[in-house]
Amino acid sequence: DAGITQSPRHKVTETGTPVTLRCHQTENHRYMYWYRQDPGHGLRLIHYSYGVKDTDKGEVSDGYSVSRSKTEDFLLTLESATSSQTSVYFCAIMGIKTGSYEQYFGPGTRLTVT
Amino acid sequence: DQQVKQNSPSLSVQEGRISILNCDYTNSMFDYFLWYKKYPAEGPTFLISISSIKDKNEDGRFTVFLNKSAKHLSLHIVPSQPGDSAVYFCAATGTASKLTFGTGTRLQVTL
Repeated sequence: DAGITQSPRHKVTETGTPVTLRCHQTENHRYMYWYRQDPGHGLRLIHYSYGVKDTDKGEVSDGYSVSRSKTEDFLLTLESATSSQTSVYFCAIMGIKTGSYEQYFGPGTRLTVT
Repeated sequence: DQQVKQNSPSLSVQEGRISILNCDYTNSMFDYFLWYKKYPAEGPTFLISISSIKDKNEDGRFTVFLNKSAKHLSLHIVPSQPGDSAVYFCAATGTASKLTFGTGTRLQVTL
């Protein structure tokens, strides 16, 4: 299994509060991703990183920010949580391997915004 | 605009029979395709992939077929086993660094 951990695994927070989710990898992979999974929508990319301090937006980036100050850590921040951000959040990593583009996922964080 | 579509939300198959999961895409720039399997309360796990230079890739009980002209791929599981019961996502990429996922198909393998 790829060495990816996410913390916390579960969180309940109130509308308007800031929340930070952490993804940690031990694989030294260059690419890291944050997705959210919602019924009827599959997995949707929020933000991704292609190196330390190098990040870009995905398809559902509004209301989220990310930071990557070390290769192994990728943080997702909800500056002011809303009920629409209740979801399961997955982190993924991908190494550089010619002709192979598999991403490997962490166990997920279930976030509930009340 | 859903660029990767899995039109069957669920599928039920008897143990030992073949499971066929389908996926359609609209973006002609996609050139690499993947299938993931997801159990409840776990992250998705990579299952099998195929490059657009091939039309078939096989790994044990799992085979993925790609029909580029129809922009269609399918995952065949033979024989199906109860442990195959999960949600299956197809994904596609044309940029290598980003995947676009379908909405998933829940497979139930019955005894």
